[in-house]
Amino acid sequence: QQQVKQSPQSLIVQKGGIPIINCAYENTAFDYFPWYQQFPGKGPALLIAIRPDVSEKKEGRFTISFNKSAKQFSLHIMDSQPGDSATYFCAAGDNYGQNFVFGPGTRLSVLP
Amino acid sequence: EAGVAQSPRYKIIEKRQSVAFWCNPISGHATLYWYQQILGQGPKLLIQFQNNGVVDDSQLPKDRFSAERLKGVDSTLKIQPAKLEDSAVYLCASSLDIGAVSTEAFFGQGTRLTVV
Repeated sequence: QQQVKQSPQSLIVQKGGIPIINCAYENTAFDYFPWYQQFPGKGPALLIAIRPDVSEKKEGRFTISFNKSAKQFSLHIMDSQPGDSATYFCAAGDNYGQNFVFGPGTRLSVLP
Repeated sequence: EAGVAQSPRYKIIEKRQSVAFWCNPISGHATLYWYQQILGQGPKLLIQFQNNGVVDDSQLPKDRFSAERLKGVDSTLKIQPAKLEDSAVYLCASSLDIGAVSTEAFFGQGTRLTVV
């Protein structure tokens, strides 16, 4: 019940494409859903986060879509750039920063 | 604002040896996390501190791993004795406070441990 599932494992898109990464969770106590971006040799960095009171959140080229009834959420990257090539992790936690779990990650490659 | 500092960046040890990692969180952050990230996987929480108290250590292999945050600031994570499967990146993160409006966790660059 603590698991967060993430797909695909890897993704290759052309520059300007819209990669979509999907995550699913089981624990209904989760109510904070961040996405982290990690470059090789670096720690994960928060990209965007959503709480279940909204179905969508946009920040720049990054959009989270959230489906509370299906317990699924996804990350869309608009107009993707080679600099977006990184590993993306979805995560879930409760409102009090506890039970914080990460998905297994998606390695994204954006070709020039 | 200074980020989360970790040292060392890299460590190579033989199995059955001991090793310690150090973390200095962002100033003012009450919550500190240690994660283990095995190559190709997502970070796995080992232990979470709120100030100098342990909030969650359910996934910490307590027979060999220990962690402390004595003064509620810096923290150390120790492995004794190390096993081959402990080879991973150990990430420290900190956040403002449990229950704060923002629960964003800021990560350090990690310590890459190789056990041979």
